[in-house]
Amino acid sequence: KAGVTQTPRYLIKTRGQQVTLSCSPISGHRSVSWYQQTPGQGLQFLFEYFSETQRNKGNFPGRFSGRQFSNSRSEMNVSTLELGDSALYLCASGLYRGQETQYFGPGTRLLVL
Amino acid sequence: AQTVTQSQPEMSVQEAETVTLSCTYDTSESNYYLFWYKQPPSRQMILVIRQEAYKQQNATENRFSVNFQKAAKSFSLKISDSQLGDTAMYFCAFSGGNQFYFGTGTSLTVIP
Repeated sequence: KAGVTQTPRYLIKTRGQQVTLSCSPISGHRSVSWYQQTPGQGLQFLFEYFSETQRNKGNFPGRFSGRQFSNSRSEMNVSTLELGDSALYLCASGLYRGQETQYFGPGTRLLVL
Repeated sequence: AQTVTQSQPEMSVQEAETVTLSCTYDTSESNYYLFWYKQPPSRQMILVIRQEAYKQQNATENRFSVNFQKAAKSFSLKISDSQLGDTAMYFCAFSGGNQFYFGTGTSLTVIP
């Protein structure tokens, strides 16, 4: 099976812009979670989607949003970008919610100038 | 709330030697899973090993094994015969209550 794919892999934006990142889970996986990884804050949970519904949300401002489509593909959107949003954004997929193993994609590296 | 603690920010080991990475967690859940993930410089997060809390037997995957002490809420990773390719950041993770929790990571360097 193909692994988790994320597009784009690299992105450069300027402050105030918005960005949309995409994640395609492993075939058959219905859970998709998003994480932000920065050198200072480590791995921070953004949100989890299962069956097109947001099930869990981390402690991030409303500028961060996401959605999941019927084919389990997910997108996350960040509006009004700030310099501090520069990070590696990781997507992980799992068969079901919670205790199932999560498999990670290669990540999207976002740089905000 | 669940927490995962990795108290060793950095470690190093000589090639071919054995190293143990520590992880403790706190939870009130009775049914949960524990994981070790590896993130090499390429940044791809890779699953190393998984342990179900209800299993008493420690999980093993080739050169990687865990020491799971449920009562002490400890979950350490032992890497035997360390190889240069083991150089990476290692994250301990807990899964329970329908959410994943990650530790802050241990940066492991294997010295030739």
